Amino acid sequence: LAKTTQPISMDSYEGQEVNITCSHNNIATNDYITWYQQFPSQGPRFIIQGYKTKVTNEVASLFIPADRKSSTLSLPRVSLSDTAVYYCLVGPSGSARQLTFGSGTQLTVLP
Amino acid sequence: NAGVTQTPKFRVLKTGQSMTLLCAQDMNHEYMYWYRQDPGMGLRLIHYSVGEGTTAKGEVPDGYNVSRLKKQNFLLGLESAAPSQTSVYFCASSPAYNEQFFGPGTRLTVL
Repeated sequence: LAKTTQPISMDSYEGQEVNITCSHNNIATNDYITWYQQFPSQGPRFIIQGYKTKVTNEVASLFIPADRKSSTLSLPRVSLSDTAVYYCLVGPSGSARQLTFGSGTQLTVLP
Repeated sequence: NAGVTQTPKFRVLKTGQSMTLLCAQDMNHEYMYWYRQDPGMGLRLIHYSVGEGTTAKGEVPDGYNVSRLKKQNFLLGLESAAPSQTSVYFCASSPAYNEQFFGPGTRLTVL
């Protein structure tokens, strides 16, 4: 199983771009990288998924270098409502058994 | 679409009592999952199912049983509740790739 390492917490201010990096040194060839967001008292919500290079959707970008040993979730112009825990997961697409949620990164957006 | 729903939302049990948590999804997803989340921690996979009539153990299966008699429902049972099973339980479903859709959670307290 690919183990992931993320910062425990990060602070940012409204309107700034936030980058959260996840380390996954033993990522396998068929592993994808997926990020989830969780607000207090709610279930996690899918943000973005990628395999290599860059993926962008309406809420975030995911940057994956060529060696795929790390990835960076980028949130543009954060607001107070982006305060949440962000989880980085690594695993094969379609494999339920091998997805592991670590402790995540608590992002706090300050006014 | 209601997405993923969980019943009940809250429950208090005494040690040794039994109960069943119900998860229902209306997205015709093949995969369903049960997780538990303890305070300040990430989610841990209890059991999962890759299709109707199938179940498999996750990371922390002891003390729990599951059944998937219908594609849309996934039941989690506690035969003899223990205080260590006090937690928030999340159900999720997904098609055969990583994006999981989570329910709102069930907060269980075992006294």
